[in-house]
Amino acid sequence: EAGVAQSPRYKIIEKRQSVAFWCNPISGHATLYWYQQILGQGPKLLIQFQNNGVVDDSQLPKDRFSAERLKGVDSTLKIQPAKLEDSAVYLCASSLSTSGRNEQFFGPGTRLTVL
Amino acid sequence: GNSVTQMEGPVTLSEEAFLTINCTYTATGYPSLFWYVQYPGEGLQLLLKATKADDKGSNKGFEATYRKETTSFHLEKGSVQVSDSAVYFCALSEGGYSTLTFGKGTMLLVSP
Repeated sequence: EAGVAQSPRYKIIEKRQSVAFWCNPISGHATLYWYQQILGQGPKLLIQFQNNGVVDDSQLPKDRFSAERLKGVDSTLKIQPAKLEDSAVYLCASSLSTSGRNEQFFGPGTRLTVL
Repeated sequence: GNSVTQMEGPVTLSEEAFLTINCTYTATGYPSLFWYVQYPGEGLQLLLKATKADDKGSNKGFEATYRKETTSFHLEKGSVQVSDSAVYFCALSEGGYSTLTFGKGTMLLVSP
């Protein structure tokens, strides 16, 4: 079974530029998550989708971050414009459903460096 | 709100030593508790979990017991290997929903 795919693996941009990350979850997984992991900290949830609907985006900085999952499968996370403090690893995860008993499977992450 | 506190690392051990990584949590209800592991260059993997008080999760020689009275979920292994070197994250989810709250992670370094 293929795991969660993310691209690109690494990205370096200048502040005020825009950037987009892509995630393809495990086939059949209805729930998709985007996390931000700043160096030395644990992952922090940015947004959670159930199929193509948003379940929780309370910690997403909506003035600069946006995410979509139009067909309920793959997803894109965008930052526009980027700030220095956005330097982090962006993790995508998926699970069968929103039940807490379903394991979340994580992708390898995209490491973003903002200069 | 919910929170997870882990002991700070790095934890440095020799091969075959006993490992304990402390984890305590704050939650309003009855959370499920998890340990995730992140090997260098890889994504997070679920190591073990426990969904109710006194449950013991175990996998690959690692164990953790859900202690409601002390709000703890300490990770233990009797004999670590070099291949166990990684960052370990304690996490919780609450209310039957899958949203995870993570601790800051503890790096484990095992030398031969």
